[in-house]
Amino acid sequence: RKEVEQDPGPFNVPEGATVAFNCTYSNSASQSFFWYRQDCRKEPKLLMSVYSSGNEDGRFTAQLNRASQYISLLIRDSKLSDSATYLCVVNGGTGGFKTIFGAGTRLFVKA
Amino acid sequence: DTEVTQTPKHLVMGMTNKKSLKCEQHMGHRAMYWYKQKAKKPPELMFVYSYEKLSINESVPSRFSPECPNSSLLNLHLHALQPEDSALYLCASTGTSDNEQFFGPGTRLTVL
Repeated sequence: RKEVEQDPGPFNVPEGATVAFNCTYSNSASQSFFWYRQDCRKEPKLLMSVYSSGNEDGRFTAQLNRASQYISLLIRDSKLSDSATYLCVVNGGTGGFKTIFGAGTRLFVKA
Repeated sequence: DTEVTQTPKHLVMGMTNKKSLKCEQHMGHRAMYWYKQKAKKPPELMFVYSYEKLSINESVPSRFSPECPNSSLLNLHLHALQPEDSALYLCASTGTSDNEQFFGPGTRLTVL
């Protein structure tokens, strides 16, 4: 089992659609969770940190379920500019600096 | 300044060459990372320096040699690379193990 698993994708959605990405992690000691966005041939950039209470930033909502070891990202009212790869990232736990990336889910938003 | 810089942006080298990649941050971060990323794959962790000491080496071949001269700088020395080492090499930094990482723009390396 991979340490961090994401929906394989790709997701092809029309503009205005709502799309949800899911991610599971295997290390129950993990403490920090993030969603990054990566555009083609660019570096990953932080989209959102993910907290147990859930957090929202405009059209984006992230949720964490520690009991199920599950992270989600919801994008509402998709824009063409949301087309990118979305990476689920988990810090390795035990206070160390190891970071584990999911394989990423590619999103294509079409007009 | 929330920027991580990397040089060069592009590098083409032969299998017998020696070259170095450089990374710099001035955010006062005490952990710095090297990642390797192949096309359509996620970044793959290579090395982590925390407080200028190598804390993680993910069984990277010795033809890659990291160096952390000070808390703001991170180098990756390359020697006798193979064509399969061609990839995007990303540097990142973070303040604590619970914080997000900031990535540099990467060096796109081609080994001929």
